[in-house]
Amino acid sequence: TQLLEQSPQFLSIQEGENLTVYCNSSSVFSSLQWYRQEPGEGPVLLVTVVTGGEVKKLKRLTFQFGDARKDSSLHITAAQPGDTGLYLCAGAEYGNKLVFGAGTILRVKS
Amino acid sequence: EAGVVQSPRYKIIEKKQPVAFWCNPISGHNTLYWYRQNLGQGPELLIRYENEEAVDDSQLPKDRFSAERLKGVDSTLKIQPAELGDSAVYLCASSLLVSFADNEQFFGPGTRLTVL
Repeated sequence: TQLLEQSPQFLSIQEGENLTVYCNSSSVFSSLQWYRQEPGEGPVLLVTVVTGGEVKKLKRLTFQFGDARKDSSLHITAAQPGDTGLYLCAGAEYGNKLVFGAGTILRVKS
Repeated sequence: EAGVVQSPRYKIIEKKQPVAFWCNPISGHNTLYWYRQNLGQGPELLIRYENEEAVDDSQLPKDRFSAERLKGVDSTLKIQPAELGDSAVYLCASSLLVSFADNEQFFGPGTRLTVL
C-alpha cells in the first residue's frame, strides 16, 4: 500500500489569512482526492484531480496535482471560520482503493 | 436523496464483548466500503464490496472481524471479541463505480466505538 504524508498536521490561523496544505507520496496515483471532515461526520469530497499538473478551483480553494502525480496541494485564500475542519487527501490506487493521508486539522479563528 | 445511514452512532462496550455495526448505502450504489478511523488519522479500508462480493478484504483482521452484505444492499460489520485497540470510528461509504479515476465515495457519519 502506498503512503501519503500530509503537512502540516495542525494549522491555526486568523480569519482572512491564506494557507496551503501539502500531500506528498513517493508513489504515483491514478488520481487524487481532497475531502473535508467535520467532527462527528464522515468525510465529504471536495475535488478529484486526475491529470498531472492539473489545477482546479472551488471558490476560495485551489487544488493542484503535481506533474508526476505524486503530490498535491490545497490552497485556501482568505480563510473563514467555516473552513475549520479536517482536510484529508486520498490517492486512488488501481483497483479502486483509496489510501488516505493522516489529515490536516485547520482551525480558523474569527 | 438520503445519504449513507449508519447505526448506532455511538457504542460503548467492555472488552471481549461482541459488537455489530449496520450500514445502509445510497440507493443504487453498487460498491460499499467499511473503513476504520483512529483518532488523529485518516480512514483505513477494512473491506470493499462490489454488489454482494467482497473484492478486497486484505486489511480485515479476520480472526475477530467479519462482514456481510446480503442482497448487495445493507451491510453489517461485526467484531467478536472486541479488544481495547478496536476503539475507533467505523465509517461506511458507498459509490457508484464508474471509473477508477473518477469515483466519489459518499461517507456515512460513522459509529464511534469505545471499548473499556
